[in-house]
Amino acid sequence: QVQLVESGGGVVQPGRSLRLSCAASGFTFSRFAMHWVRQAPGEGLEWVAAIAFDGSNKNHADSVKGRFTISRDNSKNTVYLQMNSLRAEDTAVYYCARGEGWFSVWGQGTTVTVSS
Amino acid sequence: QSALTQPASVSGSPGQSITISCTGTSSDVGGYNYVSWYQQHPGKAPKLMIYDVTNRPSGVSNRFSGSKSVNTASLTISGLQAEDEADYYCSSYTSSSTVFGGGTKLTVL
Repeated sequence: QVQLVESGGGVVQPGRSLRLSCAASGFTFSRFAMHWVRQAPGEGLEWVAAIAFDGSNKNHADSVKGRFTISRDNSKNTVYLQMNSLRAEDTAVYYCARGEGWFSVWGQGTTVTVSS
Repeated sequence: QSALTQPASVSGSPGQSITISCTGTSSDVGGYNYVSWYQQHPGKAPKLMIYDVTNRPSGVSNRFSGSKSVNTASLTISGLQAEDEADYYCSSYTSSSTVFGGGTKLTVL
């Protein structure tokens, strides 16, 4: 079945880096844009980044621009989020989602906690 | 990339109808027919309920409907049921990003 599975979350100190992965299955990954969306504890959803189906175009939210980078490997059906210079306010559940102008498929989320 | 504006909470009794508003600008809600709505139960991933302003994905109850007027989109839930109690988020495509509303907590009394 159509599925997205995130991994790579954990506890990290401020200023350090982390790379999240999202493995897709059940659909033709290379045909879809992919997004990362996060949700801080007790807060709403925040769009983080998007990448075109072929990786040719990327966009990042102002709140993470210059620190986070989205990428993908269509041969591995995987999208990544490289997170550098992490801050306490980056603490959140990070979801990957399939993009079609809307998000029809979501992963279960991976938790990132930035704390000393 | 300002968030869309939603009421913090709404409530209704079983069987009633409620409407959640989502107000943006001509750069997001008003500029595109790419408004979508998501339902999120505690500890779960969001679920797509409405896309392209008015369309329901397969498997979503026809009690859920969407509309838009100028810069404000709306989600209406008719025949409220206990399982509809959840957080609801609107979202809109923009020229270079996606923006979400702050979320609305629906309580079924």
